[in-house]
Amino acid sequence: EVQLVESGGGLVQPGGSLRLSCAASGFAFNTYNMNWVRQAPGKGLECISYIDSSSFIIYYADSVKGRFTISRDNAKNSLYLQMNSLRAEDTAVYYCATHQWDPWGQGTMVTVSS
Amino acid sequence: EIVLTQSPATLSLSPGERATLSCRASQSVSSYLAWYQQKPGQAPRLLIFDASNRATGIPARFSGSGSGTDFTLTISSLESEDFAVYYCQQRSNWPITFGQGTRLEIK
Repeated sequence: EVQLVESGGGLVQPGGSLRLSCAASGFAFNTYNMNWVRQAPGKGLECISYIDSSSFIIYYADSVKGRFTISRDNAKNSLYLQMNSLRAEDTAVYYCATHQWDPWGQGTMVTVSS
Repeated sequence: EIVLTQSPATLSLSPGERATLSCRASQSVSSYLAWYQQKPGQAPRLLIFDASNRATGIPARFSGSGSGTDFTLTISSLESEDFAVYYCQQRSNWPITFGQGTRLEIK
């Protein structure tokens, strides 16, 4: 069974940093491209970053470019999102998803507030 | 960036009725269009991929159609568990984008 479990969310002050993790199981993680998607409270979905299976191709949404860094460790079946210079508008539930988009993780909440 | 516009924003129907949801892309996405269902407090669930293919475990009452810029999600006979928010998503170009959602509510 494909399973994705996000962790690392929490409350952080503006300008602070957080590192999110996504633990994958039940599939050959090293052959799957991965995505991070976020959803602000009461709002829609925004795909913010993509990484291919070998970490050769990486994309970012303009809203996070230069502040967020996606990475992966195929030996640990894990995906990461390093978030720096956090802003109030980064407050959201953060989800990871494979390139098959089925299923998603349960999400981890990030709140940026003083 | 490809903009997806969903209509209507809210759809009020009764169980047993047919639901038709639309998604229009600002430029062609070929058939790289997916539909998701999201219930409160839950992650989105994939319903349809590549415009018309049902995901694993999705009931046959859900169907998708369209190509290019105009797409439709149809729920043939609404069940109580179908009342939720529905999003379309294009995977043709980066950035991958989503529509703003259609809320399907009980009339």
